[in-house]
Amino acid sequence: DAKTTQPPSMDCAEGRAANLPCNHSTISGNEYVYWYRQIHSQGPQYIIHGLKNNETNEMASLIITEDRKSSTLILPHATLRDTAVYYCIARGGGATNKLIFGTGTLLAVQP
Amino acid sequence: GAGVSQSPSNKVTEKGKDVELRCDPISGHTALYWYRQSLGQGLEFLIYFQGNSAPDKSGLPSDRFSAERTGGSVSTLTIQRTQQEDSAVYLCASSPQFRSYEQYFGPGTRLTVT
Repeated sequence: DAKTTQPPSMDCAEGRAANLPCNHSTISGNEYVYWYRQIHSQGPQYIIHGLKNNETNEMASLIITEDRKSSTLILPHATLRDTAVYYCIARGGGATNKLIFGTGTLLAVQP
Repeated sequence: GAGVSQSPSNKVTEKGKDVELRCDPISGHTALYWYRQSLGQGLEFLIYFQGNSAPDKSGLPSDRFSAERTGGSVSTLTIQRTQQEDSAVYLCASSPQFRSYEQYFGPGTRLTVT
């Protein structure tokens, strides 16, 4: 699985968009980008994933650059409940089913 | 519907004792995973079960750790002769067939070895 690099922490004002970057410059052609988050004292929660097209669901949007070397998770209107550690994971879609979590980005949404 | 449940939520044990941690996955999910998270650390994969296939035990840190999954549902993680470095939150997750990327995590068991 490709290594991912994320900033250790970010702040965002409540109601504003939170844009969380992730670098995965060594990603291979069959590796997807997955995003999870972990709210304090809870288990991780799946958010979204993508291969090369931008994706959107009820939680967030995922923008993947054309060269696939980086991506951005967008929370369009951050709330205090979005304060969490956000993990970006690059993983092949084949037999490797375990998730390799890095250190993630601690997003602090400020009132 | 019901999510992944784990028991106990907290376990304090003395060094050298054996412990068993239980996980009830979401009904119908074919895959089950165990991870652990030590204080201030990221999540570490331990073991993975998929249907009737042989489990992927590549993440187990030592032979004191073992896990089984009975009837394709409930799983038990056993740690023998616990050590202080085993103290962590042990998280279980399950996922639907063909969607292993979408793992649903339980609340975890906080294990403290004194």
